[in-house]
Amino acid sequence: AQTVTQSQPEMSVQEAETVTLSCTYDTSESDYYLFWYKQPPSRQMILVIRQEAYKQQNATENRFSVNFQKAAKSFSLKISDSQLGDAAMYFCAYRWAYNQGGKLIFGQGTELSVKP
Amino acid sequence: GAGVSQSPRYKVAKRGQDVALRCDPISGHVSLFWYQQALGQGPEFLTYFQNEAQLDKSGLPSDRFFAERPEGSVSTLKIQRTQQEDSAVYLCASSPRTGFGNTIYFGEGSWLTVV
Repeated sequence: AQTVTQSQPEMSVQEAETVTLSCTYDTSESDYYLFWYKQPPSRQMILVIRQEAYKQQNATENRFSVNFQKAAKSFSLKISDSQLGDAAMYFCAYRWAYNQGGKLIFGQGTELSVKP
Repeated sequence: GAGVSQSPRYKVAKRGQDVALRCDPISGHVSLFWYQQALGQGPEFLTYFQNEAQLDKSGLPSDRFFAERPEGSVSTLKIQRTQQEDSAVYLCASSPRTGFGNTIYFGEGSWLTVV
């Protein structure tokens, strides 16, 4: 069974600084997708960034980038120039590429606080 | 509206009561998902619909949980004889097509508290 582990329950960063959130996963599959979702207090899950496992190049979205290490099964999120609005729960998620339903498997989450 | 809409947003139920949670996906979205998120945890998959067909219900925790999507649009998650362990946020999500890389859009969830 696939699992996703986030070992940092809480992280803190100073505004304008950089922070890295960790995620590891376990799967025997070779084709899959990885995601980072942001969940503010409203509870709506907002997609931050996604990575296709077949792509070697790390995904980037503005201030957000990932470090995808397929052999190590590691998928960390780097947030540059942190802003107060980045404060939220962040979830790492896995999705097998050939699951028609697209079921997501989530980690436990990391609560990020941003200090002004 | 433009997003996934869920109702009620907040529900307090007495133990043993039946509840129904509604999800209105984005118009035209084929795929619909229900997730359960307990306090301090990540969301856990409950069930998946492709149009009106329930193709995966492997995550439903017991036979007290039932979901339907009779016309392939609005979905209802029903919980019978609620227990305290059912207290959670129930998230609905939809995506425009089946297939591997489609973005999944989430609603804001229905917060269920069983007292």
